[in-house]
Amino acid sequence: GEDVEQSLFLSVREGDSSVINCTYTDSSSTYLYWYKQEPGAGLQLLTYIFSNMDMKQDQRLTVLLNKKDKHLSLRIADTQTGDSAIYFCAESKGGGFKTIFGAGTRLFVKA
Amino acid sequence: DTEVTQTPKHLVMGMTNKKSLKCEQHMGHRAMYWYKQKAKKPPELMFVYSYEKLSINESVPSRFSPECPNSSLLNLHLHALQPEDSALYLCASSPGPTPRALSGANVLTFGAGSRLTVL
Repeated sequence: GEDVEQSLFLSVREGDSSVINCTYTDSSSTYLYWYKQEPGAGLQLLTYIFSNMDMKQDQRLTVLLNKKDKHLSLRIADTQTGDSAIYFCAESKGGGFKTIFGAGTRLFVKA
Repeated sequence: DTEVTQTPKHLVMGMTNKKSLKCEQHMGHRAMYWYKQKAKKPPELMFVYSYEKLSINESVPSRFSPECPNSSLLNLHLHALQPEDSALYLCASSPGPTPRALSGANVLTFGAGSRLTVL
């Protein structure tokens, strides 16, 4: 079945790097996503990666994908207090409407 | 315009009331979604409309009734809800299926949500 798992909580100091991890079970997933949700708001897409890629970098964000282990990670460099939020890992199949979300990792950044 | 707008932001209703949640986007997206999100949980898909036709209904109780009057608007009509239906209701849109995007990513743009409390 489809399942996406994440650790629930991560605390880092301002200026450090944050690494949020995710595992998924559906090997036929073709796209993997990271969404961010701030308190009282909807989800905002941060980045996504196609399953035939190993890495994608976008400014402070680096996504690593290990397809063999079905492991996805999001690294945030120079983490700021404004990065405090819930980060959802998600997967979908190409052309599909269904996006399966993980439980979300709450990132807390200490000043 | 790159936003999905939801109204109202907050709604309190009794179990016998009838109310509606509204969602609007002007990005030309042809797929629109309703998600339900309980506290400390991920969003759960309820309905998907593609080109104004209902494409997915995730076995949602009939007390929730979606409507897509046109490609920019999506409503969720609520009737005889239960207290356990209290949640954040998120609307989202995506470009939708096109010949070029048949195998593409499903990038969702979410609204800020309507927080529903059922008394």
